[in-house]
Amino acid sequence: QSVVTQPPSASGTPGQRVTVSCSGSSSNIGSYSVNWYQQLPGTAPKLLIYNDNQRPSGVPDRFSGSKSGTSASLAISGLQSEDEADYYCAAWDDSLSGWVFGGGTKVTVL
Amino acid sequence: EVQLVQSGAEVKKPGESLKISCKGSGYDFPGYWIGWVRQMPGKGLEWMGIVFPINSNTRYSPSFEGQVTVSADKSISTAYLQWSSLKASDTAMYYCARFNSPAFQGGRFDPWGQGTLVTVSS
Repeated sequence: QSVVTQPPSASGTPGQRVTVSCSGSSSNIGSYSVNWYQQLPGTAPKLLIYNDNQRPSGVPDRFSGSKSGTSASLAISGLQSEDEADYYCAAWDDSLSGWVFGGGTKVTVL
Repeated sequence: EVQLVQSGAEVKKPGESLKISCKGSGYDFPGYWIGWVRQMPGKGLEWMGIVFPINSNTRYSPSFEGQVTVSADKSISTAYLQWSSLKASDTAMYYCARFNSPAFQGGRFDPWGQGTLVTVSS
């Protein structure tokens, strides 16, 4: 059981806005920046959002990140079929002295 | 282009040893930490350990300390993950990834290798 919690699934129709939550504690999200990774089916994870809300070059601006206290969120606006993937949040954790990943959220486009 | 290329899939028997590799290109390999992440079948991502090629410093997740060894050879821009005695429960996909910060707390893993599938079965 991860110390950072995500809902196992989320879904939406094309064009809708979908949000994925990531809940942690003061030893991780509450103190350090959050990164989000996208894992398309059968592929390696890819960095999607870093430092809570920054997008690497090449990531569409329909993806956005935010953080408040010990929770973070990933929002996908204008959902597209190619966004169907698993999404993981991650942060440094003082108790672990290492990185913790959320359990992952499978986003389905209906 | 920054790239990490991992070694191919492995099929091993319980008790056997294994060393998988991750070769970096397109950047100053010795100057960046390389991390290893496990993904068991149908499960999420778990950080295992990390190595700094320039001096071979390492750190491990408590869950993996003593179970695996991470290392690197800066002369050939390659990082390694090894087991001395595999178990069936080691069956998983293993990813390497470059860590993009001098400070652990504020960094991120980018890019990732394509993954190495390790299957342990008698």
